[in-house]
Amino acid sequence: GESVGLHLPTLSVQEGDNSIINCAYSNSASDYFIWYKQESGKGPQFIIDIRSNMDKRQGQRVTVLLNKTVKHLSLQIAATQPGDSAVYFCAENRRAGSYQLTFGKGTKLSVIP
Amino acid sequence: DAGITQSPRHKVTETGTPVTLRCHQTENHRYMYWYRQDPGHGLRLIHYSYGVKDTDKGEVSDGYSVSRSKTEDFLLTLESATSSQTSVYFCAISESPGHALYGYTFGSGTRLTVV
Repeated sequence: GESVGLHLPTLSVQEGDNSIINCAYSNSASDYFIWYKQESGKGPQFIIDIRSNMDKRQGQRVTVLLNKTVKHLSLQIAATQPGDSAVYFCAENRRAGSYQLTFGKGTKLSVIP
Repeated sequence: DAGITQSPRHKVTETGTPVTLRCHQTENHRYMYWYRQDPGHGLRLIHYSYGVKDTDKGEVSDGYSVSRSKTEDFLLTLESATSSQTSVYFCAISESPGHALYGYTFGSGTRLTVV
């Protein structure tokens, strides 16, 4: 697949442990955030989203936390599995009403069996 | 990816030649986007479309043009390919305004190599 993992921060996690992937954003006016997962050779896939009027949102095995004070977003993956190995991107909607997303550079998650 | 198809999946072309990449969707989504993905840069927006014949530039539009003559098709053209345009290109689609979900659906990508 495409070598999109070069030059990326890497997080290595033991199978079964929890993973925390962090993302800093720059625009305090951003009102919507999304986490995407990208496996090798594939396009990014939607994982979970959160609006700026929320602090936390939970999905299946994933939780997104938003700290607007420090402009920080995190993705928590519970009981990490080998299938979670991928590059994870955060994305923000910097202009309300716009459908343009700005993406972070990504973090590569490697799960150790 | 369901509902969105990119073609070709891989292409090698020579410097100075024109190249057109195609994105086709079956979701009837209004918004379509072209991104390029490079190591160290993440996904960067090239051009986007908010309707038939309605397009606008993104942050890295130099050297690229787009066209959207039908809702389902969004074409990206490199008029004269350069080695700096070697990249993986992704098309994405999103719902019309008023829908609660802003997220994109991405295609599987086109790997373009300019030699």
